[in-house]
This record gives sequence, structure tokens and C-alpha cells, in this order.
Amino acid sequence: GAGVSQSPRYKVTKRGQDVALRCDPISGHVSLYWYRQALGQGPEFLTYFNYEAQQDKSGLPNDRFSAERPEGSISTLTIQRTEQRDSAMYRCASSLSGRALYDNEQFFGPGTRLTVL
Amino acid sequence: QKEVEQNSGPLSVPEGAIASLNCTYSDRVSQSFFWYRQYSGKSPELIMSIYSNGDKEDGRFTAQLNKASQYVSLLIRDSQPSDSATYLCAVNTGGFKTIFGAGTRLFVKA
Repeated sequence: GAGVSQSPRYKVTKRGQDVALRCDPISGHVSLYWYRQALGQGPEFLTYFNYEAQQDKSGLPNDRFSAERPEGSISTLTIQRTEQRDSAMYRCASSLSGRALYDNEQFFGPGTRLTVL
Repeated sequence: QKEVEQNSGPLSVPEGAIASLNCTYSDRVSQSFFWYRQYSGKSPELIMSIYSNGDKEDGRFTAQLNKASQYVSLLIRDSQPSDSATYLCAVNTGGFKTIFGAGTRLFVKA
């Protein structure tokens, strides 16, 4: 079946603009995660959804970052008033369940490379 | 202290040798442990998960978990040049958050 998809794959924007990054998880996966990955580092947790409920947003860097998953499937990560330090690879992952042991294996999408000029 | 620590490497092994990758974690209540492989410019790919103490084998890969020592490792037998990648250790405490290490770069020399 289809894996996790993300769009756009590349986004170049000017400082101060808002951007919206989209994630389409694997069909049937209840849990959805957003990460940010800097070069040479592992993915850094941003936020987690269980169905449509955002159950952990402790990793969002500041209030310019927000995420939603209104129908429990596709999710959007929005960054308002972008800054150059927001430039990174943004990755989305999904799992069957975030809570249940053995069902919390996460599968990653290809990522969106964001560049803020 | 970082929550999940890995030696950044690079770890260089000859083709056919055993590559040993190590990871330590700080949260004693951690329940789920994962190894991901990430090729340069690609997204992380899950290769092993382990949930209980001991060894878990899958093909050329063996994951080892020791919760008392807060240590998880990955052995790659008969290493191939195609195994050259960054290996990420990830730990879930049973909540929602999964913490990744910075990764160990592995080079397998032909």
C-alpha cells in the first residue's frame, strides 16, 4: 500500500511569510507525528496526534508553529512569520497506534525541505 | 545528559565483518526501542524494534536490549557496502514522544 506522503517536497519562502506543510499518513494509521531534522542530527519531536486530537505539542518551538488534523487523517503543520532559523527538513511519521506496545512503530514520509531566505 | 546517546562515529568495518552499534538512554521507564537506517538524503527507515530484554534477530540484524543497564545495541552480521548509512536509535517511554539519538555513521569498506 501507499506509504506516508508529504507535500510540498521543497519549499522556498521569504522571511515573514507563512507556510503550510502537508502530511498524508498511511491509511488506517491512528497516530501521526511531526518532526524536524537538522543536518547530522536525529529527528526532533514536534507534536503528536491521536486521531484528530493533538495530544502532545511540547516540541513545538514557539507559538509561530501550529498543527492540525481535523478529520483524523491528513495533517497540516503551519509556520507563521517564518524566520531563517526555521529552515530545516520537516518530517511526518505515522503508526497504527501511539499508545499500544507493538503498534507504535513509526513510518516516515519523504519530508519537506523548507528554506527561508 | 542527552536522553538518547549514540557515538556519532564514523564506524568503519570491512565487508563481511560484524558491525556493532550502541545506544544508551536516560529514562528508566522507556518501553519501546527502535533502530532506523537513514541513507544520505533519504528519510529514516525502520529496521528493528525491540520491547523486552534480550536479543531479537531478523536476518543479518540482531537487536539487544538491557533495561537494567539502559542500553540497546544493533549488530549487523556479514556487513555489506550497502549497509553504509546512519543508524538512528529511538526510544519511546510509553507516552507519545519518541526520542531519537543523533545517529551513528557506518561505513562498510569493500
